[in-house]
Amino acid sequence: EDKVVQSPLSLVVHEGDTVTLNCSYEVTNFRSLLWYKQEKKAPTFLFMLTSSGIEKKSGRLSSILDKKELSSILNITATQTGDSAIYLCAVGGKLTFGQGTILTVHP
Amino acid sequence: GAVVSQHPSWVICKSGTSVKIECRSLDFQATTMFWYRQFPKQSLMLMATSNEGSKATYEQGVEKDKFLINHASLTLSTLTVTSAHPEDSSFYICSARGVGLAKETQYFGPGTRLLVL
Repeated sequence: EDKVVQSPLSLVVHEGDTVTLNCSYEVTNFRSLLWYKQEKKAPTFLFMLTSSGIEKKSGRLSSILDKKELSSILNITATQTGDSAIYLCAVGGKLTFGQGTILTVHP
Repeated sequence: GAVVSQHPSWVICKSGTSVKIECRSLDFQATTMFWYRQFPKQSLMLMATSNEGSKATYEQGVEKDKFLINHASLTLSTLTVTSAHPEDSSFYICSARGVGLAKETQYFGPGTRLLVL
């Protein structure tokens, strides 16, 4: 059975801080790892990672995959209150989601 | 691009009634659609996968007779919760993969909140 574990489960920071969210996985047939941001409604797509060591970047967000360690990190620099959300990591063609990291950014 | 809509956004119904939720891909053809359920403070749990024109594949523990899924066209899938009970109250989200999009990426609809009284 595929397994995805995220850490930490919850994180509270102040605006301007940098955060690193972790995702580790155990899957029988790895194809890709995806990061999503979920606010009040359904998740919105952030990144899809398939190759190890190649950083994907979008503004203040970046992510990288380490296939040797079976893990990925999502970095957010200079956090803003609008970054407050649940960040979900998922793997596989039929997505298996981690439990999510709840990020709260205080002004 | 890659917009997925769901209807309705909210539904409140009495116990024993059936509720139909629609999921539409607005600007692409969805070859595969997925239905998830999310309880408060929990992650998304995949319920079933449906390919256009064929029967849905249900995850273990999901009753196919209770959660009827129809994927009749490349832009529409429906989930019907039959004889809904209070324990079926949840946030139901669909997602879609399709023609012309990155192969592994799923695009999510805005979700439907179901409350069964």
